[in-house]
Amino acid sequence: NAGVTQTPKFQVLKTGQSMTLQCAQDMNHEYMSWYRQDPGMGLRLIHYSVGAGITDQGEVPNGYNVSRSTTEDFPLRLLSAAPSQTSVYFCASSYSGGNINEQFFGPGTRLTVL
Amino acid sequence: AQKVTQAQTEISVVEKEDVTLDCVYETRDTTYYLFWYKQPPSGELVFLIRRNSFDEQNEISGRYSWNFQKSTSSFNFTITASQVVDSAVYFCALSEVNDMRFGAGTRLTVKP
Repeated sequence: NAGVTQTPKFQVLKTGQSMTLQCAQDMNHEYMSWYRQDPGMGLRLIHYSVGAGITDQGEVPNGYNVSRSTTEDFPLRLLSAAPSQTSVYFCASSYSGGNINEQFFGPGTRLTVL
Repeated sequence: AQKVTQAQTEISVVEKEDVTLDCVYETRDTTYYLFWYKQPPSGELVFLIRRNSFDEQNEISGRYSWNFQKSTSSFNFTITASQVVDSAVYFCALSEVNDMRFGAGTRLTVKP
């Protein structure tokens, strides 16, 4: 099993550009989530999904969109990138039951917005 | 709102020393879950332990142990006889269904 995979590993954007961070898992997990990690702030939940077709907002959803058309994939879209979105983004998945279970994290995407 | 505080930003110890990482949480729910994750220098996040709010038993796993005290809202993590490979950032996290809050993390450096 590949576990949770994320692409790209690194990305540089200009302010105002849009892009999609890809996340896929091959463990048949129902729950998937996106976090951003900023220095001194730990990880903060952006969006999550409890199953295909169901998404909801986390702590810091503004500026991001998600969709979940399949169990395996959970892409994160930046609509109009801003320097404040410079961060490391982690995708995670877990068994059903939401984030009360152990989460498996992807390797992360380091995003810089100029 | 729920909150997790890891007051120790950085800790440095010499190999074989014992070290305790503190975690204090705030929540209004009676049902919640507490976690510790490790982030080594390579950057990935590794699950260490999960504890639910109804289970206050302490847990030991090799050199790692966890002390959960609801009376003080704390979930502290102790590494006994630390090793260089324990050098990492450690995150404490609190979960109420579909909401997860991480602490800011404690960077542990173990020197040989």
